Amino acid sequence: GPKVLQIPSHQIIDMGQMVTLNCDPVSNHLYFYWYKQILGQQMEFLVNFYNGKVMEKSKLFKDQFSVERPDGSYFTLKIQPTALEDSAVYFCASSLVQGDERLFFGHGTKLSVL
Amino acid sequence: GQQVQQSPASLVLQEGENAELQCNFSTSLNSMQWFYQRPGGSLVSLFYNPSGTKQSGRLTSTTVIKERRSSLHISSSQTTDSGTYLCAMDASSGSWQLIFGSGTQLTVMP
Repeated sequence: GPKVLQIPSHQIIDMGQMVTLNCDPVSNHLYFYWYKQILGQQMEFLVNFYNGKVMEKSKLFKDQFSVERPDGSYFTLKIQPTALEDSAVYFCASSLVQGDERLFFGHGTKLSVL
Repeated sequence: GQQVQQSPASLVLQEGENAELQCNFSTSLNSMQWFYQRPGGSLVSLFYNPSGTKQSGRLTSTTVIKERRSSLHISSSQTTDSGTYLCAMDASSGSWQLIFGSGTQLTVMP
């Protein structure tokens, strides 16, 4: 089936540093999402992105977070600077249309902030 | 309170037994999905099921929107079915701001 690829699978960084998480969504999909899952807790919505713009974001999407998808390249989540509470698994997802179809998730990037 | 309640929280079966997982929503919803989360963490979409009954192999999902509930039935369970089953709702039309439940941890013993 359709695959969403996330790179890297695990990232370890020191608090205060910048990190960029990369997502290669399904090729013909138009809507992109980031979700966050802290170990042992529920998956939570961060942001969705369409046509070069953030459409919706949750209160978890702090000012230190940003997303972009330069033409033909990865959909990225950048955190600058990172904080200890940013340690989590970040899942990227994509869909062809919004609210009308299945959402396809990547395998997640485990971010460890030390 | 929790908008998406899943039950049971955990379930242990012998291989070959059936499982019934429940998801209840405290608010009205536009659509919902069932996901399987592997022990390693990756998420697989099982069903997009805004209403009615859908079947795929040994899995059957039934959503009754008016009653704000959905169920996932696994027949003749196998050890490879072990993992976490998550349901998620989309409360607003035209959005994929999914709200996830806490999941049902399924263990199928050989």
